[in-house]
Amino acid sequence: SQTIHQWPATLVQPVGSPLSLECTVEGTSNPNLYWYRQAAGRGLQLLFYSVGIGQISSEVPQNLSASRPQDRQFILSSKKLLLSDSGFYLCAWSWGNYNEQFFGPGTRLTVL
Amino acid sequence: RKEVEQDPGPFNVPEGATVAFNCTYSNSASQSFFWYRQDCRKEPKLLMSVYSSGNEDGRFTAQLNRASQYISLLIRDSKLSDSATYLCVVNEGGANNLFFGTGTRLTVIP
Repeated sequence: SQTIHQWPATLVQPVGSPLSLECTVEGTSNPNLYWYRQAAGRGLQLLFYSVGIGQISSEVPQNLSASRPQDRQFILSSKKLLLSDSGFYLCAWSWGNYNEQFFGPGTRLTVL
Repeated sequence: RKEVEQDPGPFNVPEGATVAFNCTYSNSASQSFFWYRQDCRKEPKLLMSVYSSGNEDGRFTAQLNRASQYISLLIRDSKLSDSATYLCVVNEGGANNLFFGTGTRLTVIP
C-alpha cells in the first residue's frame, strides 16, 4: 500500500528565515506530486505540482519554490519567510491527472 | 466565478438524522468528481469518488448530475463521528486542474 510522509508536523519560524519542508511517498512510482497551502478557515490553494523528476510547475507567484530531486521526494523551500506564509502545508500524490489525490498529514507553519 | 461552490454551512443535525450536501461546478467538461472529509487541523481524506451512475458506501451516497452540473452527498443515520468539513472536489483534466470547494461544515449533535 502507499503511504505519504511529511515533516516536520509543526514549525514556528521568524520572518526572514529560510524554510524547507519535505514530503516522501512510498509504495508507488512516478506519482504526480503536489504542494497545497490552506490558510486558517480557507480552502486549499495549489502552490506547485510535478509530473516527474525535475519537472515543477508553479501555480501562484510567491517567495516559495519547490524541487523534486527524486521520484518520490518533493521539497518546498523559501529563502526568506513572510508573515503571510503562515498556514497548513499539505503534500499530496496521485496516479495520473484524472485520479483522486491522497494527502500527507501536513505541516503547520507559523511565521512570527 | 468559482470553479466549485459549496454551501459553507454549518449544518447542525441530531444523531440519526439524514443530511445532504450539494456542490455545483462551472466547467461542463469536468472529468471526475470526489468528496473528501477534513477533520479539524487534519489533512483531507478521500471519502468517495462520484460516478455518473451514482454510488453508495454504507451510509453515504454520492450522486452526479452532469446536466445541472452538481454533485451531492447524502449521509444517513448520522453519527457523532461524522462531524467534519466535507470538501467537494472536481477534476477538469490535467495535473493542475483539480479544484476544491471551501467545504461544508457538519456538526452532529447528541
